[in-house]
Amino acid sequence: GDSVTQTEGPVTVSESESLIINCTYSATSIAYPNLFWYVRYPGEGLQLLLKVITAGQKGSSRGFEATYNKETTSFHLQKASVQESDSAVYYCALGDGSNNRIFFGDGTQLVVKP
Amino acid sequence: EAAVTQSPRSKVAVTGGKVTLSCHQTNNHDYMYWYRQDTGHGLRLIHYSYVADSTEKGDIPDGYKASRPSQENFSLILELASLSQTAVYFCASRDNSGNTLYFGEGSRLIVV
Repeated sequence: GDSVTQTEGPVTVSESESLIINCTYSATSIAYPNLFWYVRYPGEGLQLLLKVITAGQKGSSRGFEATYNKETTSFHLQKASVQESDSAVYYCALGDGSNNRIFFGDGTQLVVKP
Repeated sequence: EAAVTQSPRSKVAVTGGKVTLSCHQTNNHDYMYWYRQDTGHGLRLIHYSYVADSTEKGDIPDGYKASRPSQENFSLILELASLSQTAVYFCASRDNSGNTLYFGEGSRLIVV
């Protein structure tokens, strides 16, 4: 089926350290998947962090990057130097070509220690 | 600024009772969605709609009905609430270019 698997949280890192949150997907019924990272900051609603709709491309936002790798079916989220304000829950998501249906991973809570 | 608002934000319902969760968007988006989230898990799609007066089943529609009386409004209805429906419910609209979901703040439902 169509699904997303991501790093189980919580993930705890110290400020200024690098971060990677793994995301792999299965898109058996989706010919051209679109990939997303959504984020929920404390006290806020879920919002889009970045998206990539073409395999091989990279998306970036707020210092975060993710590359759509069709060969490894992965869309890992990376940041070179995290800040305390990055503490949040991050969700990887997979959409079909029309995005009528979007499948979410279970979320990864990131805790950044000062 | 895109805006999706949900009501109520929190509710306690009794088993067997009827619950209606409402969602209103001012984004002029065609698509709207209802998701359910259980603690420690991701969002699962219950129902969605792409036009007024029409709704579609998502991945977990059993026990839920949906209503889209207008482009702006999308309701989720639990005719006979059950303990297993305790969860946080999120409404979202999707921009008409197809890529981005805009979420409401969520409605926390506790069924006792």
